Amino acid sequence: NAGVMQNPRHLVRRRGQEARLRCSPMKGHSHVYWYRQLPEEGLKFMVYLQKENIIDESGMPKERFSAEFPKEGPSILRIQQVVRGDSAAYFCASSPGQLSEAFFGQGTRLTVV
Amino acid sequence: GENVEQHPSTLSVQEGDSAVIKCTYSDSASNYFPWYKQELGKRPQLIIDIRSNVGEKKDQRIAVTLNKTAKHFSLHITETQPEDSAVYFCAAAQYSGAGSYQLTFGKGTKLSVIP
Repeated sequence: NAGVMQNPRHLVRRRGQEARLRCSPMKGHSHVYWYRQLPEEGLKFMVYLQKENIIDESGMPKERFSAEFPKEGPSILRIQQVVRGDSAAYFCASSPGQLSEAFFGQGTRLTVV
Repeated sequence: GENVEQHPSTLSVQEGDSAVIKCTYSDSASNYFPWYKQELGKRPQLIIDIRSNVGEKKDQRIAVTLNKTAKHFSLHITETQPEDSAVYFCAAAQYSGAGSYQLTFGKGTKLSVIP
């Protein structure tokens, strides 16, 4: 089991471009969480998804951000028209379900220039 | 929604001393409380967790206590070593509908163990 895989590890985008962050959960895990971590800060919840469903997106900005977890393929966090304030580390975590350990990926470090 | 408060935000201890990190939560229905350790530039990793049907759990130098009445839980690290230096996050799991739970994290405690 390769663990939670995120790619790319580092992503540089110019202001106004789109950023796509990918997360492949561990085998057998159907729950995916996305978190944002600013430098020297904690993990801020963004969205919680199960296959083909968004369960809770209360932590995600209403504009420019979207997430999906299709039946096949990785979960995608999409940020449109990026701004400097979007620069952060984005972690995804997966779990098999109820009250279980969530395993984190290595994160994607997004830099907006 | 759930709110998890974590204190202190930074903690420095001498090698060999104990370290205690405390968290409070707001949703009385939360019933799973994991602790994660994040070393610099790395992913958070689970170090210990506790469920609401127990009050204390220990794993070598690490222990976690839970007080459901007061809605707080704590991480205790004894005989600290320099490799314990990291950021520690507490979390609480709460029901989010459709038989599923989501984790809410505290803001983290940066622990520095001074040799």
